Amino acid sequence: QSVLTQPPSASGTPGQRVTISCSGSSSNIGSNYVYWYQQLPGTAPKLLIHRNNQRPSGVPDRFSGSKSGTSASLAISGLRSEDEADYYCAAWDDSLSGVVFGGGTKLTVL
Amino acid sequence: QVQLQESGPGLVKPSGTLSLTCAVSGGSISSSNWWSWVRQPPGKGLEWIGEIYHYGSTNYNPSLKSRVTMSVDESKNQFSLKLSSVTAADTAVYYCARGEGEEGRFDYWGQGTLVTVSS
Repeated sequence: QSVLTQPPSASGTPGQRVTISCSGSSSNIGSNYVYWYQQLPGTAPKLLIHRNNQRPSGVPDRFSGSKSGTSASLAISGLRSEDEADYYCAAWDDSLSGVVFGGGTKLTVL
Repeated sequence: QVQLQESGPGLVKPSGTLSLTCAVSGGSISSSNWWSWVRQPPGKGLEWIGEIYHYGSTNYNPSLKSRVTMSVDESKNQFSLKLSSVTAADTAVYYCARGEGEEGRFDYWGQGTLVTVSS
């Protein structure tokens, strides 16, 4: 049981826009930054979004993040086949004094 | 370009101690970064194990705290993880990662190493 809650799966067709949600609490998302990681099959996670909505250099602007209260979302526009991956949200939790991850969302491009 | 490389036994016996090392290249382990371990059981999600700063300060996942020890070797530019009293539930791919700036932001990751707990 993960501290942050994500839907286990999401899907879309090429060119579509999809969103992945991440729900937490006042001790994590509600009071700290949210991060998003992309994990392609058989590879290490890659930082996709930091500080709720900032993209590291090299990450396409098709990826965007947002946060409101104790929830956050990752949006992917202009969906491509190479976006098929697992996506994880993460945040620091003040109560646990540690980093917590969501359970991950498997994105399928139909 | 910072690179991280995990190393250690791929098989550990139940009740034994899992020991892994992460070698850092392209950057100094003495920089202003936290250095973390994250694991991923086969087919499951990510779990943060803990982090260490170069002068030895640590934060551990409360669920693993009683079994985890992390250390830094500045002379070798590497950091290490020890997890004691392992069971099959500790079977996972173990990643080392560099924390950049605020907590939860991991900008560089190792490729990961699979550790299986089995007799």
